[in-house]
Amino acid sequence: DTGVSQDPRHKITKRGQNVTFRCDPISEHNRLYWYRQTLGQGPEFLTYFQNEAQLEKSRLLSDRFSAERPKGSFSTLEIQRTEQGDSAMYLCASSMAGPSSYEQYFGPGTRLTVT
Amino acid sequence: QQPVQSPQAVILREGEDAVINCSSSKALYSVHWYRQKHGEAPVFLMILLKGGEQKGHDKISASFNEKKQQSSLYLTASQLSYSGTYFCGTGGMRSGNTPLVFGKGTRLSVIA
Repeated sequence: DTGVSQDPRHKITKRGQNVTFRCDPISEHNRLYWYRQTLGQGPEFLTYFQNEAQLEKSRLLSDRFSAERPKGSFSTLEIQRTEQGDSAMYLCASSMAGPSSYEQYFGPGTRLTVT
Repeated sequence: QQPVQSPQAVILREGEDAVINCSSSKALYSVHWYRQKHGEAPVFLMILLKGGEQKGHDKISASFNEKKQQSSLYLTASQLSYSGTYFCGTGGMRSGNTPLVFGKGTRLSVIA
């Protein structure tokens, strides 16, 4: 397994369009996280899954954002009616789950530019 | 609450040492350290759990003082490859993997 992968790596879209990103986690990891990162900032939590269940969503996540992990493997993040403020790097991470705290491994990210 | 990292930026010559601090106003269960190079994803360095243990990894080590709610990352005899932005991510008091809250990062530049 080569790690977390994300597709596409770059996306340019016009304001108002919908976009969808995909994340494939490390195969044995049952936790999957979505983060957003803007220039000069650390990653900011959006939402996360354990298997197919979405366990938590950030209060910062507007109704235009939706995420799924239908079979507990890959996940998609959709942004509807994109706005210029959505321009950012969208990072996916995966980890084991359990009573302890495990390292989260990040994918290469999808850079979104909304024009 | 977002952890506070200090310093914001540091410039080192090869071979010099550096310390990066990460402080939180909330009780911590875990601290995760990452390094990110420009245009790339964050790369995991190490994780520390409450209990005050210190970890090491080549010439990079870290400590976690749960009483002070603070972690420090120590870079010894820095190399050019250490350049990048270092982030700490903190996990809350719930056990198990919770989403991390990241600091704003410390930009480290190592020059020859």
